Amino acid sequence: EPEVTQTPSHQVTQMGQEVILRCVPISNHLYFYWYRQILGQKVEFLVSFYNNEISEKSEIFDDQFSVERPDGSNFTLKIRSTKLEDSAMYFCASRGDANTGELFFGEGSRLTVL
Amino acid sequence: GDSVTQMEGPVTLSEEAFLTINCTYTATGYPSLFWYVQYPGEGLQLLLKATKADDKGSNKGFEATYRKETTSFHLEKGSVQVSDSAVYFCALSKLTGGGNKLTFGTGTQLKVEL
Repeated sequence: EPEVTQTPSHQVTQMGQEVILRCVPISNHLYFYWYRQILGQKVEFLVSFYNNEISEKSEIFDDQFSVERPDGSNFTLKIRSTKLEDSAMYFCASRGDANTGELFFGEGSRLTVL
Repeated sequence: GDSVTQMEGPVTLSEEAFLTINCTYTATGYPSLFWYVQYPGEGLQLLLKATKADDKGSNKGFEATYRKETTSFHLEKGSVQVSDSAVYFCALSKLTGGGNKLTFGTGTQLKVEL
């Protein structure tokens, strides 16, 4: 069964460092998403991506964040200068159909900022 | 803005007990409602969904009915198993520019013991 894969599963970094989280969405999907969950809090929408551009982003997704689909298969989330409050589980998701398709999630990447 | 509220966990039950996890929502318009499940070490998986009032979503013995009058989508199962131990997330979506962005609740951890 096709699945969304994410790497790394866990990353520990120092405050101020750049982090790139990688995702391989399901191959025929067109809509891509990043969500995050700070421990004990809600799963929050960060950004959606379609046709090689951001289609919507939340207030959380400030200038420190960026997304890219560099090669037609990977979908990356970059945090330029990590802060302690960026520590969270980051989930990638993809969807084939905008209106009715199920959102398929990866297993998540846990980011710990020290 | 749109929001989802679900009961705090963890919920601990004995095998074969009846399960209810409460979920209520606040949203304008006519959202679709979902339950996602996250088993240990895995990603978020769609468990069931309902797209309009009075619809009942069901899967793997779980059920939830879209109640517009009470803005609720409570998850129920008549007889839980140890293998149902997981975190359950209630969510809603509406069509947006990004194509059905999901708004999640905080998640409810279910532990089923023998």
